[in-house]
Amino acid sequence: EVQLVETGGGLVQPGRSLKLSCVASGFTFSSYWMYWIRQAPGKGLEWVSSINTDGGSTYYPDSVKGRFTISRDNAENTVYLQMNSLRSEDTATYYCAKDLIRRVWAFDYWGQGVMVTVSS
Amino acid sequence: DTVLTQSPALAVSPGERVSISCRASEGVNSYMHWYQQKPGQQPKLLIYKASNLASGVPARFSGSGSGTDFTLTIDPVEADDTATYFCQQSWNDPPTFGGGTKLELK
Repeated sequence: EVQLVETGGGLVQPGRSLKLSCVASGFTFSSYWMYWIRQAPGKGLEWVSSINTDGGSTYYPDSVKGRFTISRDNAENTVYLQMNSLRSEDTATYYCAKDLIRRVWAFDYWGQGVMVTVSS
Repeated sequence: DTVLTQSPALAVSPGERVSISCRASEGVNSYMHWYQQKPGQQPKLLIYKASNLASGVPARFSGSGSGTDFTLTIDPVEADDTATYFCQQSWNDPPTFGGGTKLELK
């Protein structure tokens, strides 16, 4: 059974940093691209970052580019999201998600999500 | 960015057929995917690449469309289908989601 478990969320002040982790199990982690997607309270979904199988290629939308960094440890079956210079608009539930099929960028399994609140 | 427009809400009776639409501001080929999200839960993939049923999803769900206009159909609707449905495109960079359609059962 595929499982994705996110940790690391919490309350953080604007301008500070936070690192999220997502531990994967139930599939060959090193064979799949991984993603972070967020959802602000009561709002829709926003793609936040992507990483390829070996971690050599990463992708971000303009809203987080230069502030967020995705990485992965295939030995530990874990994907990370380092979030720096956090803003109030980064407040959201953050989900990690697994790639369905390479180059399709559809997300077939999602974690339960972790809440990040940016507030003073 | 590609904007995906969905109707905010629909209400249907159990046993009926419902179609949920998603219109893209520019062509997305067939790279449109559909997700179901129930309150307090993570999204679940239903349909990928416009018309392909994801693993374990009941055949009551189907998808159609190409280019800019896409439809998710549920036939027949069951009480458990109460949820918000999101479309997502991955043809244009960045991938984007629609605002969601909240499906309520009468």
